[in-house]
Amino acid sequence: EADIYQTPRYLVIGTGKKITLECSQTMGHDKMYWYQQDPGMELHLIHYSYGVNSTEKGDLSSESTVSRIRTEHFPLTLESARPSHTSQYLCASGQPLNTEAFFGQGTRLTVV
Amino acid sequence: AQSVSQHNHHVILSEAASLELGCNYSYGGTVNLFWYVQYPGQHLQLLLKYFSGDPLVKGIKGFEAEFIKSKFSFNLRKPSVQWSDTAEYFCAVNAQGDMRFGAGTRLTVKP
Repeated sequence: EADIYQTPRYLVIGTGKKITLECSQTMGHDKMYWYQQDPGMELHLIHYSYGVNSTEKGDLSSESTVSRIRTEHFPLTLESARPSHTSQYLCASGQPLNTEAFFGQGTRLTVV
Repeated sequence: AQSVSQHNHHVILSEAASLELGCNYSYGGTVNLFWYVQYPGQHLQLLLKYFSGDPLVKGIKGFEAEFIKSKFSFNLRKPSVQWSDTAEYFCAVNAQGDMRFGAGTRLTVKP
């Protein structure tokens, strides 16, 4: 059973607010990912990390930023939320060398 | 970067019907292939995976998938679906160190 946690599960926030979505894993995985998923749509990779102090942008242009100061923690920050950021955000982790990813429950974000 | 295509957006079947969901990817090198399932209100879970060896892989809950390298395909199959298989199914490819997903196929199984 994977141990990867995302908080909050649901968030409704006003336009212009700064928010941080938390993601933590207790499996010691080096690789971590953030995906954005709209209902009925594919998962878009927005950020990933190979390990501490490593962050990379994914395929989908995103106005969010990430940090990786500790192995277990990979928070995603939106400096100024907009309605177009309304979506579900999924965090995942895995070991390097192309192994599977383990997913958290997701954070459903609504910006009003 | 690699891409993943899932041909069916929504599949509706009756219980006991056979299932095949298509998945094609575009990447010429070595890939690892996955099928994930997302039940309503739950997180994504691994259904099965292919790394190397026998191209026919078996996963949980009676699912299997066949890797056909010449067709760049990794189709998911189940001989007889159950109502509890109602979920969203995602094909994924991991090459060059990052994971890419298809658009997903929603499966609805009618009792």
